[in-house]
Amino acid sequence: EPEVTQTPSHQVTQMGQEVILRCVPISNHLYFYWYRQILGQKVEFLVSFYNNEISEKSEIFDDQFSVERPDGSNFTLKIRSTKLEDSAMYFCASRDDRNNEKLFFGSGTQLSVL
Amino acid sequence: QKEVEQNSGPLSVPEGAIASLNCTYSDRGSQSFFWYRQYSGKSPELIMFIYSNGDKEDGRFTAQLNKASQYVSLLIRDSQPSDSATYLCAAESYNTDKLIFGTGTRLQVFP
Repeated sequence: EPEVTQTPSHQVTQMGQEVILRCVPISNHLYFYWYRQILGQKVEFLVSFYNNEISEKSEIFDDQFSVERPDGSNFTLKIRSTKLEDSAMYFCASRDDRNNEKLFFGSGTQLSVL
Repeated sequence: QKEVEQNSGPLSVPEGAIASLNCTYSDRGSQSFFWYRQYSGKSPELIMFIYSNGDKEDGRFTAQLNKASQYVSLLIRDSQPSDSATYLCAAESYNTDKLIFGTGTRLQVFP
């Protein structure tokens, strides 16, 4: 079965540093997402991306966050100046059509901000 | 605030029994509902989705939806120890692209 690939699997950073989390969605997919899950808490929606622009974002996705699809295969999440509370598992997800119920999640990047 | 509520558990059932997982949602505009399984430290994995009132069966799994009561459930028949995981309920509203997840119910199936 096709996979959404995320790198790195673990990222440790100092507070205030910039991090970029990388994702390679499934090749024929057009809709891309970032979700995060703080340890012991709900999976939370951050942002959706289609046709090279953000289609929806949550309150969590403030000016410190940005997304990009730089080269037609990668989909990145940048956090400009990390805070302790950004520590979480970040999941990338994709689907081929907005009405397709099957959303494929990547294996996640565990971000630890020290 | 759109919410999806689940009992965090743990729900403990013996092997071979039926596990019943429940979920309620607050947004009447929710159209589609999903059950994901999440093993510890892993990503959510879709088990079933449902958008019509009634039951939907897939193998050992049955999803039930009651829009009037804003209630979704998942039944797992012949539970196996490998079913032990956290089960996440999620809802998607019309004209939005995001899933709203509940906190999940931890299921433990003991031999």
